[in-house]
Amino acid sequence: KAGVTQTPRYLIKTRGQQVTLSCSPISGHRSVSWYQQTPGQGLQFLFEYFSETQRNKGNFPGRFSGRQFSNSRSEMNVSTLELGDSALYLCASSWDRGLTGELFFGEGSRLTVL
Amino acid sequence: EDKVVQSPLSLVVHEGDTVTLNCSYEVTNFRSLLWYKQEKKAPTFLFMLTSSGIEKKSGRLSSILDKKELFSILNITATQTGDSAVYLCAVDFQGGSEKLVFGKGTKLTVNP
Repeated sequence: KAGVTQTPRYLIKTRGQQVTLSCSPISGHRSVSWYQQTPGQGLQFLFEYFSETQRNKGNFPGRFSGRQFSNSRSEMNVSTLELGDSALYLCASSWDRGLTGELFFGEGSRLTVL
Repeated sequence: EDKVVQSPLSLVVHEGDTVTLNCSYEVTNFRSLLWYKQEKKAPTFLFMLTSSGIEKKSGRLSSILDKKELFSILNITATQTGDSAVYLCAVDFQGGSEKLVFGKGTKLTVNP
């Protein structure tokens, strides 16, 4: 069974640019959530999608957005990049977060903003 | 504000030692507490705890939850170099804003 796949794995952008990250969940999983991980703040919740609907959103500015497609694949977008957006962005999937707390994480997309 | 605090932040031990990692939390509408191990990139699931006093075990790892005192511990006995990782504690809520709130992790280094 394939795991959670995130692309790209690494990317470098400059301030002001925008970036789109992609996540393919485990087959059959309908919930996809996104986390930002930095050395100072640890793992912070960005948002969660279930059946193409955003169910929950963390405390991040509107520059951070996402969506989920009918096949459960998800993308997140960060516009007008700032240096502080440099982080590891982790995607996690589960069958239904309402029934189980276990998440399956991808290996992340490492974003560097110069 | 919901909060999960892990201690210590880092720990260096020798192979064969036993370690105890701590996780305390202040959250509303607690549903479960989860432990994850992060070696390089993807955190991997270790345990989910929902009931007080019931120990979960997997090999040399074990964990227990105290819902009255709002904390959990993760024990690793006879540590091996392969146990070197960041151990993350997360608390799951029920109802309303469903998300996992993570602690900042404990970085464990096991030296040969």
